[in-house]
Amino acid sequence: EPEVTQTPSHQVTQMGQEVILRCVPISNHLYFYWYRQILGQKVEFLVSFYNNEISEKSEIFDDQFSVERPDGSNFTLKIRSTKLEDSAMYFCASSEGKSYGYTFGSGTRLTVV
Amino acid sequence: TQLLEQSPQFLSIQEGENLTVYCNSSSVFSSLQWYRQEPGEGPVLLVTVVTGGEVKKLKRLTFQFGDARKDSSLHITAAQPGDTGLYLCAGRAGMDSNYQLIWGAGTKLIIKP
Repeated sequence: EPEVTQTPSHQVTQMGQEVILRCVPISNHLYFYWYRQILGQKVEFLVSFYNNEISEKSEIFDDQFSVERPDGSNFTLKIRSTKLEDSAMYFCASSEGKSYGYTFGSGTRLTVV
Repeated sequence: TQLLEQSPQFLSIQEGENLTVYCNSSSVFSSLQWYRQEPGEGPVLLVTVVTGGEVKKLKRLTFQFGDARKDSSLHITAAQPGDTGLYLCAGRAGMDSNYQLIWGAGTKLIIKP
């Protein structure tokens, strides 16, 4: 069964450093998403991406964050100057269309120290 | 702000028992999705319901979308330890598909052998 692949599975970084989280969505999906989940808390929407541009973003997705689809397969989330409160599981998801269910990756656990 | 409230927040029952968890809102949703999430993993889509009053079955799981499209329930018959996980509902607000998913906080379900 097709799956969304995320790398790395775990990233430890020092406060103030930049990190890039990588995702390979399902190949025939058109919509891509980043979500975040702080331990024990709700899944939080960060950003959605369609047709090579951001279609929607949340208040969390400020200038510290950016997304890119550098080639036909990868979808990346960059966090500049990480803060302690950025520590969370970051999930990438993709869907065939806006109304379709999402397929999530297994997540990247980001720990900022 | 549109909210999805899930209840109960936590449920622990014996194998073989039946249970129902709820996802409620004062807002109308054009569709609603149920996911199950296991620790350290991304949410996995179980079902999408679209029509008011719709009932969908997935083996021992029965999902219902309220007639007014404001609520949904998940009923599990003869629960098994493999059903253990965090059950999340996520709704697409409004009457078209242009809105972002609204997520509930989840029901943590433990099935004891």
